[in-house]
Amino acid sequence: EVLLVESGGGLVQPGGSLRLSCAASGFTFSSYEMNWVRQAPGKGLEWVSYISSTGRTIYYADSVKGRFTISRDNAKNSLHLQMNSLGAEDTAVYYCARVNSGWSSYFYYYVDVWGRGTPVTVSS
Amino acid sequence: QSVLTQPPSVSAAPGQKVTISCSGSSSIIGNNYISWYQQLPGAAPKLLIYDNNKRPSGIPDRFSGSKSGTSATLGITGLQTGDEADYYCGTWDGSLSGGVFGGGTKLTVL
Repeated sequence: EVLLVESGGGLVQPGGSLRLSCAASGFTFSSYEMNWVRQAPGKGLEWVSYISSTGRTIYYADSVKGRFTISRDNAKNSLHLQMNSLGAEDTAVYYCARVNSGWSSYFYYYVDVWGRGTPVTVSS
Repeated sequence: QSVLTQPPSVSAAPGQKVTISCSGSSSIIGNNYISWYQQLPGAAPKLLIYDNNKRPSGIPDRFSGSKSGTSATLGITGLQTGDEADYYCGTWDGSLSGGVFGGGTKLTVL
């Protein structure tokens, strides 16, 4: 069974840091691109960050650029998100997500596997 | 404000058909495939449609997708109360080098 299990969420004070992890199983992790996607309470989905299968290509949403760092350990089948300088606007459920992307007639990009998410609350 | 625009809500009776639209610019929707996700209350999103109109294994053919010009559409036939959920379209924005999702549409089955 293909599984993504997030951990590391919790309550953190404004300005603090948190490191999220995602354990992947049931597939060849090193062959897949990965994302972090978040959802603030009562809001829609927000794409946060992308990392290629090798880790060489990384992208961030403008809202987290310079504060968040995505990384992966293919030997340990794990994905990470280091979050610094957290603010109330970062309060959300954070989902680890497996990506399929590439070129066919057009560019395709979709998430075919989602974790259950880990909640992050930034509050004093 | 998302680069993909969806209606906030739609509703229909059980057994009926509903469509949910997702509109955007020609540079985003016009050049990329669109995917659709279903998020049941309290659950993680689930892939419903990818590459505009393909269904992953296990997704019933009551769900369909299409794209024309700068708009994509999710169709659901034979509505069931279990279809009540939030639905999101998504794709990649090459100009931003990032994924994008629509604002989401809440489906109510009356």
